[in-house]
Parts: sequence; structure tokens; C-alpha cells
Amino acid sequence: GAVVSQHPSWVICKSGTSVKIECRSLDFQATTMFWYRQFPKQSLMLMATSNEGSKATYEQGVEKDKFLINHASLTLSTLTVTSAHPEDSSFYICSARPRTSGPLNEQFFGPGTRLTVL
Amino acid sequence: SQQGEEDPQALSIQEGENATMNCSYKTSINNLQWYRQNSGRGLVHLILIRSNEREKHSGRLRVTLDTSKKSSSLLITASRAADTASYFCATANQAGTALIFGKGTTLSVSS
Repeated sequence: GAVVSQHPSWVICKSGTSVKIECRSLDFQATTMFWYRQFPKQSLMLMATSNEGSKATYEQGVEKDKFLINHASLTLSTLTVTSAHPEDSSFYICSARPRTSGPLNEQFFGPGTRLTVL
Repeated sequence: SQQGEEDPQALSIQEGENATMNCSYKTSINNLQWYRQNSGRGLVHLILIRSNEREKHSGRLRVTLDTSKKSSSLLITASRAADTASYFCATANQAGTALIFGKGTTLSVSS
């Protein structure tokens, strides 16, 4: 159980286009989902926290108008990179916190999406 | 912002040897977690240690936590080539929701 999927697993797009990445919790309901970005040979950096039915909370330095997050249901959150540029090329990873998660802050991570902007 | 700092940044060992990675953090914590990431892949949760625990074992993994020093260590015993990966420690952010990751240690185990 506790599987999180991401789609697509990799995507190549042209500069200026928008790309949507989906994060789904397959066998549990997630009230909160998180989006991370990881540049090559670096650690994961939290981009935003997404709560079902409300606006996402973005970390400092992350442009909310560029990285649109929608958490429309308890099993799906989407990240849309708008007007993508080569510097947006990165590995995007989501995680989902089960509705029943206790004080241990249990989270489950997706396999990541590799975005390459040409 | 990053909470943890791992050292060493990179570690190369031979199969059968032990690998020790350290993590330091800045704020008080409820628990600390260790994750593994194979190159270009997602994260695999390894072990969670609570703030009131000093040591925890899981198979070939041994984690220690010293809250007075705000540090943790991950020991992998009898390493295998398949242990080659990046290892990250993670603690909760101030809101207690998201995880903040350290910079990671890249472990290379050669056969």
C-alpha cells in the first residue's frame, strides 16, 4: 500500500510552453501533498505545500504564478510549469501525506518527473 | 531552506566495508528520517528515529540520534554494490508538515 505515482515520468518541451505534472496517491487519501525540485547532484528543495481544496503555500523564492499547483481531490495534485525555460529543467518529486498520518509526519514519495526544457 | 547538513558529501568504499554518514540539523525535532535515492529515481524511506530514541536498527542499517548535538548518523554494515546511492536525512519544517532535506551523501560501493 501507500503508493504515489507521477505522470509523466519524463517530459521534454520547448521553451515557452507549459507542462503539467500529475501526482496521485493510488491507495490512500492525501489531505496534503508536497512538491519538491531537485537539480543535478543536489538535494530536494521544497517548492510548495498543497492542501486539498485550498490554495497552495509556496516556499520563499518560488514563483506561484509560474508554478501553478492544483489539489482538486484527495488523491490528485498537479503542478503546471508555465512558460517553461531551460533553467526550469529539473527533477520534480511529489510526496503525499495520508489523511490518517499522525505525529510522525508520514509521507510517501512519487518516483519523480524529469523535465527538460529545450 | 535546508535543515540538515550531511557529511561526507561523497564516500567511496569497497564491498563488505561499513559506511557511516552523518547529519546535523539546526532546530528541535520530533523525529528524523533517512532516505535513499538511486540515481535519477525517487526516494526510498529507510528508517525513522524519534527524538526520544538514541539508536535504531533495521537490517544492516543502524541510526543514532544525539539531540544534544543535533546530529544523527547512518551506518550501513557489510555494504554491497547495490547500496550505491545518495542518502539524505530529513526533518520536519517549522510547520511540522513538509520535510526538509539535507544535502545528502553520495555513496559508491565498488565490488
